[in-house]
Amino acid sequence: LAKTTQPISMDSYEGQEVNITCSHNNIATNDYITWYQQFPSQGPRFIIQGYKTKVTNEVASLFIPADRKSSTLSLPRVSLSDTAVYYCLVGLSGSARQLTFGSGTQLTVLP
Amino acid sequence: ETGVTQTPRHLVMGMTNKKSLKCEQHLGHNAMYWYKQSAKKPLELMFVYSLEERVENNSVPSRFSPECPNSSHLFLHLHTLQPEDSALYLCASSQDWRGFQYFGPGTRLLVL
Repeated sequence: LAKTTQPISMDSYEGQEVNITCSHNNIATNDYITWYQQFPSQGPRFIIQGYKTKVTNEVASLFIPADRKSSTLSLPRVSLSDTAVYYCLVGLSGSARQLTFGSGTQLTVLP
Repeated sequence: ETGVTQTPRHLVMGMTNKKSLKCEQHLGHNAMYWYKQSAKKPLELMFVYSLEERVENNSVPSRFSPECPNSSHLFLHLHTLQPEDSALYLCASSQDWRGFQYFGPGTRLLVL
């Protein structure tokens, strides 16, 4: 499984766009990139998944450069309720044994 | 509501007790997972059951015993736990183990 590196924490203000970058230098050819959101004492919630270029849904956008060694989760116009931990998960082409969530990024949205 | 339910939501048990956590998914998925999340730590994969493989994290102590009687139900049997086993235990399911996962609300376990 591709090891991922994310910032430990980020602060933002309400109404701003937030970009969280995940590095995954040894991503495999068949690996997808998946992002989850987790609130305290709850299970993670799927946000978005992509393979290359750009994916957008009603919640977020995911930007993946051509070399796929990193990805950026973009949250438009965040609100206080977006305060959560965001996890980047890479590597769905190997074995289930290698499924690993990293440390995630604690996003704090300030008023 | 993700379609994955867990019971009980909270559990307090002594070190000599035996208890079981239950997970049920109503999504028609073929893979189910148990994760452990200790305070302010990342999720730790404990077990995976799918049509393709069954995976056990070798670092999980034998006092945790999974059971998957069918693709919709997953149990985690607990016996002679230690205080350091206190954590949030999360169940998840996905179409197959490569798919993105739907998580249940978790069971908050306290071992006294």
